[in-house]
Amino acid sequence: IQLTQSPSFLSASVGDRVTITCRASQGISTYLAWYQQKPGKAPELLIYAASTLQSGVPSRFSGSGSGTEFTLTISSLQPEDFATYFCQQLNSHPFSFGQGTKLEIK
Amino acid sequence: QVQLVQSETEMKKPGASVKVSCKASGYIFINYGISWMRQAPGQGLEWMGWSSAYSGITVSAEKLQGRITMTTDSSTGTAYMELRSLRSDDTAVYYCARDRIALTMFASSDYWGQGTLVTVSS
Repeated sequence: IQLTQSPSFLSASVGDRVTITCRASQGISTYLAWYQQKPGKAPELLIYAASTLQSGVPSRFSGSGSGTEFTLTISSLQPEDFATYFCQQLNSHPFSFGQGTKLEIK
Repeated sequence: QVQLVQSETEMKKPGASVKVSCKASGYIFINYGISWMRQAPGQGLEWMGWSSAYSGITVSAEKLQGRITMTTDSSTGTAYMELRSLRSDDTAVYYCARDRIALTMFASSDYWGQGTLVTVSS
């Protein structure tokens, strides 16, 4: 299953609302997770089952979608949110990742 | 608290093998599977495979089959990933990660190791 994220790069300002899309090449129900990765660090789980916030993750992050189209939304960007975001499908192995979306400060 | 601590940086020559360890603590080791991912320099994440700490069952990415072995040692709470016949395009940071849900492989990864850089160069 191929996952395509858009955009690959996103430039935004603190306080902006941003949305990242992840499209699957075939239906995956809600078997989708979102991760945040900062330079030199391991990824961190943000959202699982497409829309469930992982414990400890700020509520400005939200996820939605099912089937083949999914979104990650950050309601009001904070300085610590500038990072790269990946989606991952867990419907069938290999549990592929999207190519990533790099969120940069405008 | 849950922690996964990986082994140190490795430098290998083409054709050699590498074995990365991932020592878990802070939870019941056999209840959760361990996934392995890698990330080539400046690239995205690649899922390599999964191993059950309970049963020893493993599932690996088709492109790595024949070169990868994943094992777990419940006596020490350590998972291992061995990759053989290394090539230059195996140069990457290798991560282990714990399943968020016990006793299933169809789960996201909630705790990750710090990563192990493996460099393959002649």
